[in-house]
Amino acid sequence: ELKVEQNPLFLSMQEGKNYTIYCNYSTTSDRLYWYRQDPGKSLESLFVLLSNGAVKQEGRLMASLDTKARLSTLHITAAVHDLSATYFCAGTQGGNEKLTFGTGTRLTIIP
Amino acid sequence: DTAVSQTPKYLVTQMGNDKSIKCEQNLGHDTMYWYKQDSKKFLKIMFSYNNKELIINETVPNRFSPKSPDKAHLNLHINSLELGDSAVYFCASSRTTIGGYTFGSGTRLTVV
Repeated sequence: ELKVEQNPLFLSMQEGKNYTIYCNYSTTSDRLYWYRQDPGKSLESLFVLLSNGAVKQEGRLMASLDTKARLSTLHITAAVHDLSATYFCAGTQGGNEKLTFGTGTRLTIIP
Repeated sequence: DTAVSQTPKYLVTQMGNDKSIKCEQNLGHDTMYWYKQDSKKFLKIMFSYNNKELIINETVPNRFSPKSPDKAHLNLHINSLELGDSAVYFCASSRTTIGGYTFGSGTRLTVV
């Protein structure tokens, strides 16, 4: 069964700095997703990564996938306060549409 | 607006009561889900329906019973509510062959 681990769980970073959130998964995953959740809100889809070496970028966020290492990363460039949120990675496996989530990373950007 | 909509947004109830949460999607998706987010923000799937057929049923107490009258609706009925049922419940939908999920805004259930 697919297991997804994320780290760090909590991350405080200064505005303008760069950082990376890591997502490791235990077995082959068909697709790897990244979501953002603001407090008290729903989950907003950020990226879907389908194949080894996939890289997607949107604004200050960039996600990548290394299927051999079973690792996805979410890189934040020059962080701004608006990026403060909880970020989740999630995977699917074996054609099963069930999303298995990581524990989430609570990101706080401080001035 | 195209969306996944759930009602109610907040639900406060006493232990032992029975309650329902409703979910509707107008995206034309063929698969719908219920996810539970606990107090530590951990998200876990509960059920999945594809074209009204139950396809995923995780280890969930049988006090929880999903019902899908058609592929645009997936409701969740909970009997004999317990304190540990307090959580945020998210409905979601996807189009199976394409993937990509759309989540509802969540229902915050508080059992007192």
